[in-house]
Amino acid sequence: DTAVSQTPKYLVTQMGNDKSIKCEQNLGHDTMYWYKQDSKKFLKIMFSYNNKELIINETVPNRFSPKSPDKAHLNLHINSLELGDSAVYFCASSRKGYYGYTFGSGTRLTVV
Amino acid sequence: SQQGEEDPQALSIQEGENATMNCSYKTSINNLQWYRQNSGRGLVHLILIRSNEREKHSGRLRVTLDTSKKSSSLLITASRAADTASYFCATASANQAGTALIFGKGTTLSVSS
Repeated sequence: DTAVSQTPKYLVTQMGNDKSIKCEQNLGHDTMYWYKQDSKKFLKIMFSYNNKELIINETVPNRFSPKSPDKAHLNLHINSLELGDSAVYFCASSRKGYYGYTFGSGTRLTVV
Repeated sequence: SQQGEEDPQALSIQEGENATMNCSYKTSINNLQWYRQNSGRGLVHLILIRSNEREKHSGRLRVTLDTSKKSSSLLITASRAADTASYFCATASANQAGTALIFGKGTTLSVSS
């Protein structure tokens, strides 16, 4: 009955590879987000989708591309992975408007 | 841009003591939220306080908001070892509809038994 689920939980890959992280929410929320948490625990918004429409696209390399096939899913595809992409990536969802977020458990990406 | 800044960065207390964490922010907000993150886990929403509220309670949590000083505090009373975690404040902008929460750097709380 996980509300926001991300897969995989851990991802170790070599530089230059392409990888995807999947996220699904079963809360009926309209808005979904991707955040990146660095080694100092700083959380930075990357993307936000509202009902499949991109509404926030922060300054991230265009190697990162989000895709939302429907409002319950928001996937993150990363091309040509670099060492600096190593971090924990969190998916979250919320109702439209000013509400609290529900976070997934995170995907720890390690690029070697 | 960075919005919330928590203080202190780290806090160590004994079980049963109270823990107070502070958060300062820079721009006008619609609301301020506090989240907890246990080691290796996702963030959990604790409490939301709107800009027209001054204080809110939830169980052992008490949150205050002072919009004139652009600051908030989170008080955890009678702390337990299970409260050991990182705590983040996050702000929702009042001026930009559709913007995402901006998180502070967090306070790491250690509660020893």
